Amino acid sequence: GIQVEQSPPDLILQEGANSTLRCNFSDSVNNLQWFHQNPWGQLINLFYIPSGTKQNGRLSATTVATERYSLLYISSSQTTDSGVYFCAGHVMYSGGGADGLTFGKGTHLIIQP
Amino acid sequence: DVKVTQSSRYLVKRTGEKVFLECVQDMDHENMFWYRQDPGLGLRLIYFSYDVKMKEKGDIPEGYSVSREKKERFSLILESASTNQTSMYLCASSLDNSPLHFGNGTRLTVT
Repeated sequence: GIQVEQSPPDLILQEGANSTLRCNFSDSVNNLQWFHQNPWGQLINLFYIPSGTKQNGRLSATTVATERYSLLYISSSQTTDSGVYFCAGHVMYSGGGADGLTFGKGTHLIIQP
Repeated sequence: DVKVTQSSRYLVKRTGEKVFLECVQDMDHENMFWYRQDPGLGLRLIYFSYDVKMKEKGDIPEGYSVSREKKERFSLILESASTNQTSMYLCASSLDNSPLHFGNGTRLTVT
């Protein structure tokens, strides 16, 4: 199966800082998505971003499908941004959206007040 | 908003018991999934379903089965629970080529 590598694995920042999280795939993927898991375990879908750039408030994401990577930008971090950020995608040749996504191991982000 | 509801937040069962984890979604999604999440191993796909009565094995189906009798409901069954099935179980649903939405998770402990 595909390998999904996320970096950095851990990140500690002060409130107000900006950060960039990266996701690399070993093969071409589609349906690329970013998730945030809060300290209570709830997984929230942040972006569905198979290609291009999207923005939602202080968060934005860019996927360069031809180069097999995606970036998640967090600006003006707040303590509520703490948690684990996952990226996930389907292998391009797998045929359809019904296959399960393959997840990276996540970036554990801590925002200190 | 999409709502994916898992029937229990915490569950404690004994070794050998048959365990049912229930998941219901309210957005008429064709696709439903069961993942488990373990420290250091991330999220791993157990089973998924792309239609009523259809099911496909994921990466770690051993020791589990599923049932999808209605479009909105996807059940995960542990036929004979074992301690190595202690984990966080996450249900999710989606349309084709669309965002995946998760439930709140069920933390299962098998003693």
